[in-house]
Amino acid sequence: QVLLQESGPRLVMPSQPLSLTCTVSGGSIRGADSYWSWVRQRPGKGLEWIGYIYYGGTTYYNPSLKSRSSVSMDMSKNHFSLNLTSVTASDTAVYFCARVARLTVVGVVVTPRYYFDLWGQGTLVSVSS
Amino acid sequence: QAVVTQEPSFSVSPGGTVTLTCGLTSGSVSTSSYPSWYQQIPGQAPRTLLYNTDIRSSGVPDRFSGSILGNKAALTITGAQAEDESDYYCVLYLNSGLVFGGGTTLTVL
Repeated sequence: QVLLQESGPRLVMPSQPLSLTCTVSGGSIRGADSYWSWVRQRPGKGLEWIGYIYYGGTTYYNPSLKSRSSVSMDMSKNHFSLNLTSVTASDTAVYFCARVARLTVVGVVVTPRYYFDLWGQGTLVSVSS
Repeated sequence: QAVVTQEPSFSVSPGGTVTLTCGLTSGSVSTSSYPSWYQQIPGQAPRTLLYNTDIRSSGVPDRFSGSILGNKAALTITGAQAEDESDYYCVLYLNSGLVFGGGTTLTVL
């Protein structure tokens, strides 16, 4: 059973970077069949995709957050991370890490997927002085 | 970034049928956007319901079904139950990224 667990500071000062790590247990972050992603939910608001990283280091980001976001992965520690710079109070949110199924392979048949198939429990990060 | 639209709220009677939709402010939703649907109880992580338009995730009751209706993706709940009262989000794969709809709050009463 693969589990995702977010960790990192719960309180960040304005203008400072917000850094979170998602540790993956019960499975490996290597492999071509998944993206490793971050999603956030501001208080009382909807879900917002931040970005994801693919084995080999290729990244994709929400255009609205691209200039401040960076997702990286550490194969040796089997975890991936989010760094969000220059935060303000509007970055206060629950941050979820999630796995995105990219494709499935059955025999010689490769089927694209592109959906969130596994979620961490989320961690509330507050931006305040 | 494209804007994905959902009804802000919907109401259904217990045992009734409701269809939530997921559209685009510009253009049509098709299977090539790989629509997926998620249920979220406030304070909890989302739960994956459907992917690739109409494939139910493991353990999801068959009263949940997905389709393309016209130019939108649709989530239909047939025989709604009290425990279906929740927030529902669709996600589309667009321009190599994922875009959430604004979510629909479903009330069962």
